[in-house]
Amino acid sequence: QVQLVESGGGVVQPGGSLRLSCAASGFTFSRHGMHWVRQAPGKGLEWVAIIGEDGSALYYTDSVKGRFTISRDNSKSTVYLRMNSLREDDTAVYYCAKEMGDTPSVYYYYMDVWGEGTTVTVSS
Amino acid sequence: SSELTQDPAVSVALGQTVRITCQGDSLRSYYASWYQQKPGQAPVLVIYGENNRPSGIPDRFSGSSSGNTASLTITGAQVEDEADYYCNSRDSSVYHVVFGGGTKLTVL
Repeated sequence: QVQLVESGGGVVQPGGSLRLSCAASGFTFSRHGMHWVRQAPGKGLEWVAIIGEDGSALYYTDSVKGRFTISRDNSKSTVYLRMNSLREDDTAVYYCAKEMGDTPSVYYYYMDVWGEGTTVTVSS
Repeated sequence: SSELTQDPAVSVALGQTVRITCQGDSLRSYYASWYQQKPGQAPVLVIYGENNRPSGIPDRFSGSSSGNTASLTITGAQVEDEADYYCNSRDSSVYHVVFGGGTKLTVL
């Protein structure tokens, strides 16, 4: 079945780094854009980044631009989120989500499959 | 960047109809999608585009849009529909995504 499984979360000090991974299965990974979305404790959903199906389209929310990098390895059906210079307000559950459409370079931002999330805690 | 505004909480009697709204300038240009999230679980897509339901979503869920407002309607709300509901859409000016603040639905 279609599945996304995140990993790599943990506890890190302010200023530290983490790399999250999201392993996909059950669909043709290389045909879909992928998103990262986060949710701070007790708060709503916040979109973080998108990467196009071939890795050429990269967009970030303003608060993480320059600190986070989204990437993908289509040979491994995996999307990554490298997070540097972490701040306490980056503390959240991080979800990866699949872009529904599979038209090259066309993104509707409909997220039809989500992983269960991985928790990142930034604290001294 | 754009913002999407949702009522923080809405309640509905069991079996009645409830409408959850989402307002924002980006909705004049782009359709919203809607997500249901139950405590401790990942979000689930329930409506996308003009009014489309993914496979497995009951037909009591429907969507509509007018001007800068998108709506999610649940016709005949069930106990299992109690959840947080989030709208989102593409930002009207950049290739970003914006989420509404979420609406907590209580089924009485």
